[in-house]
Amino acid sequence: AQTVTQSQPEMSVQEAETVTLSCTYDTSESDYYLFWYKQPPSRQMILVIRQEAYKQQNATENRFSVNFQKAAKSFSLKISDSQLGDAAMYFCAYHNNAGNMLTFGGGTRLMVKP
Amino acid sequence: NAGVMQNPRHLVRRRGQEARLRCSPMKGHSHVYWYRQLPEEGLKFMVYLQKENIIDESGMPKERFSAEFPKEGPSILRIQQVVRGDSAAYFCASSPNTQETQYFGPGTRLLVL
Repeated sequence: AQTVTQSQPEMSVQEAETVTLSCTYDTSESDYYLFWYKQPPSRQMILVIRQEAYKQQNATENRFSVNFQKAAKSFSLKISDSQLGDAAMYFCAYHNNAGNMLTFGGGTRLMVKP
Repeated sequence: NAGVMQNPRHLVRRRGQEARLRCSPMKGHSHVYWYRQLPEEGLKFMVYLQKENIIDESGMPKERFSAEFPKEGPSILRIQQVVRGDSAAYFCASSPNTQETQYFGPGTRLLVL
C-alpha cells in the first residue's frame, strides 16, 4: 500500500521569506501523480500544485514550486515571498495511474509571522 | 462553472439517527470520491463512485455506511445509526477521469451528540 509522510507537524516563516515543506512517499508504481493541497481555517481543500511522475521538470505555480526527486521518493513544496494568506494546513497527496483514491499525508501547519 | 457542491455544510445528529450527506460534482465530472477527516488528521479515502456504480469502497466501514451516485441527482453518503465516533468532516471530490485532478467541495461537518 502507498503511504505519504509529512515529517514536519508545524512550520513557521516570516512574511516575505521562503519556506520549504517536506513530503516523502512510498510506492512500487512507476507512474503516478503527486499533489499539494492547502486547507485554510475555512477547511476548504484547495489545490496548490500537481506533479506527474513521468515529467522530470518540477512543477511551478506562481510563488509555489516543488522539488520532485523520484529516486528518493521525495516531493517538497517551496513557498517564496510568503504572505499572511499562506497560513494554513498543507497536505501532500498521492494517487496512482488508476486514480481510485488520494492518499494523504498527516499535514503540516504553516504559520506566517508578520 | 460552479465547483463541487456539498450540503448540508453542518449537520447535527443524536446517537442512533441517520445522516445523509449530499454531493453534486462539477459539471462534466462523472467520478466522485468521498473522504473523511477526523480532527487534527489528514483526509482518509472512503469510497469512489461513477454514475450508478461503486468502483472502490475499500475505505468505507462495512456496517452502517453506504454510498450511491444515481443517474440523476447528487451522490449521497448515508450513515445509519450514527455514533459519536462518526463526528468528522466529510469531503466530496470530483474529477472528469481518473488521471485528472480531484477538486474538493467545502465539506460537511457532522456532529453526533
